[in-house]
Amino acid sequence: EAQVTQNPRYLITVTGKKLTVTCSQNMNHEYMSWYRQDPGLGLRQIYYSMNVEVTDKGDVPEGYKVSRKEKRNFPLILESPSPNQTSLYFCASSRTSGGGTDTQYFGPGTRLTVL
Amino acid sequence: AQSVTQPDIHITVSEGASLELRCNYSYGATPYLFWYVQSPGQGLQLLLKYFSGDTLVQGIKGFEAEFKRSQSSFNLRKPSVHWSDAAEYFCAVGVRSGNQFYFGTGTSLTVIP
Repeated sequence: EAQVTQNPRYLITVTGKKLTVTCSQNMNHEYMSWYRQDPGLGLRQIYYSMNVEVTDKGDVPEGYKVSRKEKRNFPLILESPSPNQTSLYFCASSRTSGGGTDTQYFGPGTRLTVL
Repeated sequence: AQSVTQPDIHITVSEGASLELRCNYSYGATPYLFWYVQSPGQGLQLLLKYFSGDTLVQGIKGFEAEFKRSQSSFNLRKPSVHWSDAAEYFCAVGVRSGNQFYFGTGTSLTVIP
């Protein structure tokens, strides 16, 4: 089954404790992206990747890191999480990159709480 | 900067009634336009998209949307709403010259029997 998976689905952590949220897709998609969803703000793009070893900042990259060492994986790293990073996070992928030409497929989301 | 506006935070309709969700965008050229639906506790699912050509596009679940260049709008419509349509709806813009996406703040739809 074609899908985007995220782990963990739920995470409660404390300020300053490094964490990684994994994202994996099995569709051989080039483009992958991370979003955070906050009430009243919709989804905002954190980082995106057009292919292996090619990443770029979205609208709200501060406090986050990403890497794309393999085509299927795009982990989101919070080196020193803070309470303002409490949010619902979505990973997405699409077949090709470039101007939003392709449908994005979304993972189920990761609800992160930073105390 | 690009922006997407969904002016209705929450809409309530009766089952069987028609529905229109509004979306306006700000962008210098014609963007790629999308509508996504998010059911409670779920990820986002694409309803429909517009890239070029016919300005009235059909999507899944009986939804359609019309691109109006003069109004910078891409409103979503459904002639008869079902209780299962209760969800949050997001309009999104893909920038042709880049690789970023911009989402609206969403419209929450409640369907009453």
